Amino acid sequence: AQSVTQLGSHVSVSEGALVLLRCNYSSSVPPYLFWYVQYPNQGLQLLLKYTSAATLVKGINGFEAEFKKSETSFHLTKPSAHMSDAAEYFCAVSMNRDDKIIFGKGTRLHILP
Amino acid sequence: DADVTQTPRNRITKTGKRIMLECSQTKGHDRMYWYRQDPGLGLRLIYYSFDVKDINKGEISDGYSVSRQAQAKFSLSLESAIPNQTALYFCATSDAGQANYGYTFGSGTRLTVV
Repeated sequence: AQSVTQLGSHVSVSEGALVLLRCNYSSSVPPYLFWYVQYPNQGLQLLLKYTSAATLVKGINGFEAEFKKSETSFHLTKPSAHMSDAAEYFCAVSMNRDDKIIFGKGTRLHILP
Repeated sequence: DADVTQTPRNRITKTGKRIMLECSQTKGHDRMYWYRQDPGLGLRLIYYSFDVKDINKGEISDGYSVSRQAQAKFSLSLESAIPNQTALYFCATSDAGQANYGYTFGSGTRLTVV
């Protein structure tokens, strides 16, 4: 069965610093991969998705993620953190377009002034 | 109006009570899902429905039941609530033809069982 592992339940970065949130997946077939963001007291919002097209995926709010098959990774990055990026981020995987999405346990991103 | 609406937003109920959480959507999506979110555990799938006549159990369906009253409505029931069902519950939808585009989520229902 497919799964995702997010490394680090909490990550703190200084404002203006690089954001790197790590996600590794397990799947027997090429997966679909997603990053979602959850701001306080809100539902989840799709940041970006990988669907077997370009390996470098650009999303909203300046985030991007790179699919690396050899490392089974889909890490999320942003060159310069803003205070407004403070939220919880979820990596998720789906086996194919008709399957359910399985979520990781989440990484809470803290931005230090 | 939100694309996916969950009611109520917050609810406190007593152990043993029956409670229903409701979800309605205006996206026209075929598929609907119920997840619960617990700190440190992420989102776990309770039930999902690919159309009105199709209901499937997720990974943690025990103690829950669902009803798909129409394409746009998907309700989650706790027949006899217990304290460890205290959690944040999310409804989500997806388009059958574009499942790889991800889900649209509601704002959640925070349920507390005392």
